[in-house]
Amino acid sequence: EAGVTQFPSHSVIEKGQTVTLRCDPISGHDNLYWYRRVMGKEIKFLLHFVKESKQDESGMPNNRFLAERTGGTYSTLKVQPAELEDSGVYFCASSPNWALPVPEDTQYFGPGTRLTVL
Amino acid sequence: DQQVKQNSPSLSVQEGRISILNCDYTNSMFDYFLWYKKYPAEGPTFLISISSIKDKNEDGRFTVFLNKSAKHLSLHIVPSQPGDSAVYFCAASVRGAQKLVFGQGTRLTINP
Repeated sequence: EAGVTQFPSHSVIEKGQTVTLRCDPISGHDNLYWYRRVMGKEIKFLLHFVKESKQDESGMPNNRFLAERTGGTYSTLKVQPAELEDSGVYFCASSPNWALPVPEDTQYFGPGTRLTVL
Repeated sequence: DQQVKQNSPSLSVQEGRISILNCDYTNSMFDYFLWYKKYPAEGPTFLISISSIKDKNEDGRFTVFLNKSAKHLSLHIVPSQPGDSAVYFCAASVRGAQKLVFGQGTRLTINP
């Protein structure tokens, strides 16, 4: 079974430009999450999709960030315009829609996209 | 306001000995706790978890202990092996909320 994949693995852009990150979850996983780790700090939650619907977007930093999940499959995270503080590693994770949460709330992470804004 | 804290940024342990990684949390609503392991240039990999109704969960060389009154959990690895060298993240969630709240990570180095 293929794991969570993310593209690109690295992106270097200049301040003010636009970048789009893509995440392909594990096939059949209804739940898709975006997280971000900045400068070696904790991994912070950004948002959560259940299928194509946004379940929780409380972690999105501001309206420069736009996440979509077309048809409940892959997801994109667009940053427009990018700022210096957006630099970090963006992780995507997915989990099944557990009928019974066993193992509860376990999320499977992709390798991340390292974004550098110059 | 960091709700999950790993106060040791790094830990060095001799191969074959026990590694103990610690994690503290402040939100009493958390009822599920996980440990993830992360190698460089890879995403976090689920290691072991524990529900708040338990105080111990064991899986092979890995054991997680939960002390709810102290809002503290720990991960024990015994015996430690060189392949255990990685960054370990503690995470917590409120059942139903699904989002994970992570600590800052502890870099574990196992010395031969």
